[in-house]
Amino acid sequence: DAEITQSPRHKITETGRQVTLACHQTWNHNNMFWYRQDLGHGLRLIHYSYGVQDTNKGEVSDGYSVSRSNTEDLPLTLESAASSQTSVYFCASSESEGPAAQYFGPGTRLLVL
Amino acid sequence: AQTVTQSQPEMSVQEAETVTLSCTYDTSESDYYLFWYKQPPSRQMILVIRQEAYKQQNATENRFSVNFQKAAKSFSLKISDSQLGDAAMYFCAYKDGSRLTFGEGTQLTVNP
Repeated sequence: DAEITQSPRHKITETGRQVTLACHQTWNHNNMFWYRQDLGHGLRLIHYSYGVQDTNKGEVSDGYSVSRSNTEDLPLTLESAASSQTSVYFCASSESEGPAAQYFGPGTRLLVL
Repeated sequence: AQTVTQSQPEMSVQEAETVTLSCTYDTSESDYYLFWYKQPPSRQMILVIRQEAYKQQNATENRFSVNFQKAAKSFSLKISDSQLGDAAMYFCAYKDGSRLTFGEGTQLTVNP
């Protein structure tokens, strides 16, 4: 069965370190998304991609970057981790525009000390 | 920018009863899609139901149905015959193009 996976599921790091969260989907979806979830804010969009070599900033992109070298993967990098980036991170994918829903990975809980 | 508002941070329902979760949104678009997602304690986001704005008929998925009022920009979720497994955070989401905008969620408790 097609799926979307994230790794690691839990991560503890120190401020200033670079951290990369992996996202891999086997749906063959063109669209991929990264969100963060914090209490009181729901899910907020960090970055998204509509295909290989395409990346776009979301509403909370500062301090994060992504790259898309193939259809299956969209890694999220925190260039210099900050305590404000402690959160739960979700990756999602979907077919192109229209009624297609986004399918979510299981999430990565990141703690920045 | 589109906004999605869920005015009920918490709701509770007795097992086997019916509960309605509210959602309103703001948009100037005429063609868009609406979704309800469920997030149980496992934190996995699970699609519950979707609605196309151009369809007048309300979507239904087993015990889950929506009341879509396009003019009022309202999209409520009704859960019938509530079960203990329905306890979760529920998120309303709006989509035009490819991007989703989420509400802040409603925490649903199901009492036995």
